[in-house]
Amino acid sequence: NAGVTQTPKFQVLKTGQSMTLQCAQDMNHEYMSWYRQDPGMGLRLIHYSVGAGITDQGEVPNGYNVSRSTTEDFPLRLLSAAPSQTSVYFCASSYGSGALNTEAFFGQGTRLTVV
Amino acid sequence: AQSVSQHNHHVILSEAASLELGCNYSYGGTVNLFWYVQYPGQHLQLLLKYFSGDPLVKGIKGFEAEFIKSKFSFNLRKPSVQWSDTAEYFCAVFSGGYNKLIFGAGTRLAVHP
Repeated sequence: NAGVTQTPKFQVLKTGQSMTLQCAQDMNHEYMSWYRQDPGMGLRLIHYSVGAGITDQGEVPNGYNVSRSTTEDFPLRLLSAAPSQTSVYFCASSYGSGALNTEAFFGQGTRLTVV
Repeated sequence: AQSVSQHNHHVILSEAASLELGCNYSYGGTVNLFWYVQYPGQHLQLLLKYFSGDPLVKGIKGFEAEFIKSKFSFNLRKPSVQWSDTAEYFCAVFSGGYNKLIFGAGTRLAVHP
């Protein structure tokens, strides 16, 4: 099983460019989420989804958009990249729409640099 | 809003020393509690989890954690660390009320041979 797959692994963007970070899972998990990891700040929740067609904001949603058209995919879009969005991004998925009493499985991460 | 606090940001130990990393959370309702580990250059891996039942939970690689509900704490312990335990450790809390998995800032552990 592939688990949670993120692409790309590395990306360099210029300020103002847009891009989409891809996340796909093959475990039929309802709950998916995006985090960014910055030194000394742990992982901060950007957006999450409890199922296809349903998304909600996390702790740091500004500058990011998400959609969930299928159970498997949960892309993260940066509409106009800023240097403050330089970070490592992790996608995660959990079984169940509420994700209570389940564990999160993480992708390998995407290291994004905005210059 | 729920929050998770990890008290130690950097810990340096010698091999065979005992380890205890503190974690406190703010939410008072039903919670799931987790410790994840991130080895250098890798993604997060689950060390252990608490959903309900025995508050002392055992995880992989000799780690254990104790849930103390009255103190809103979930501290991670290991009796004798190894050089291979060098990594960053994250405490995380999922609450049914907020429906979000929230992480602490992490503790960077360095174990010297």
